[in-house]
Amino acid sequence: DIQLTQSPSFLSASVGDRVTITCRASQAISSYLAWYQQRPGKAPKLLIYAASTLQSGVPSRFSGSGSGTEFTLTISSLQPEDFATYYCQQLNSIPWTFGQGTKVEIK
Amino acid sequence: QLQLQESGPGLVKPSETLSLTCTVSGGSTGSLNFYWGWVRQSPGRGLEWIGSIYFTGNTYYNPSLKSRVTMSVDTSENQFSLILSSVTAADTGVYYCARHPEPLYCRLGTCYGWWFDPWGQGTLVTVSS
Repeated sequence: DIQLTQSPSFLSASVGDRVTITCRASQAISSYLAWYQQRPGKAPKLLIYAASTLQSGVPSRFSGSGSGTEFTLTISSLQPEDFATYYCQQLNSIPWTFGQGTKVEIK
Repeated sequence: QLQLQESGPGLVKPSETLSLTCTVSGGSTGSLNFYWGWVRQSPGRGLEWIGSIYFTGNTYYNPSLKSRVTMSVDTSENQFSLILSSVTAADTGVYYCARHPEPLYCRLGTCYGWWFDPWGQGTLVTVSS
């Protein structure tokens, strides 16, 4: 199975901060990577797919980049509603797997 | 607007069978080019893809669960279902259903997918006697 390792696992930031989350794959997955946001008690919500394509309706402060084994999710200016847990998912090989999550909390 | 809703027992006894249904509204389980999947989440295992099914009945399963999983689709009722047999406490968690596009290519483990969206709200299943 392809392992995805997110870093950091936890980060504390302020409104307006630029935040970057990294997802590293245990083997190359081309650009078959998606990012999700999950708020407490809610289902994951798709933010980005194909590593860098913004899902319709998602604010442009979210962006994704990378290919192969290293990927990043960037929030250019953190807003109050962005405090949540973020997950990456690889869709290159079955079983499709998820990272362990990065929790973004208010500083 | 496409919406998915999970339903089923919230408590299952060890060694018994977990059975969940996902009801789709605002769209059709008979849609071309879309699969219907199950993902579960627990504190110990994180998010875990269980499997996916097409309206034709074609399935992709997580190999780690394949021996215990059966999925089916009922296009007349606009539902799809998950059966997980011989459950243990490790199967406790929140179970989500979701839609995803048909994989670009799937063969011998390589399976190029795109995304899961939308998701149902999730249903908590506890395995306990």
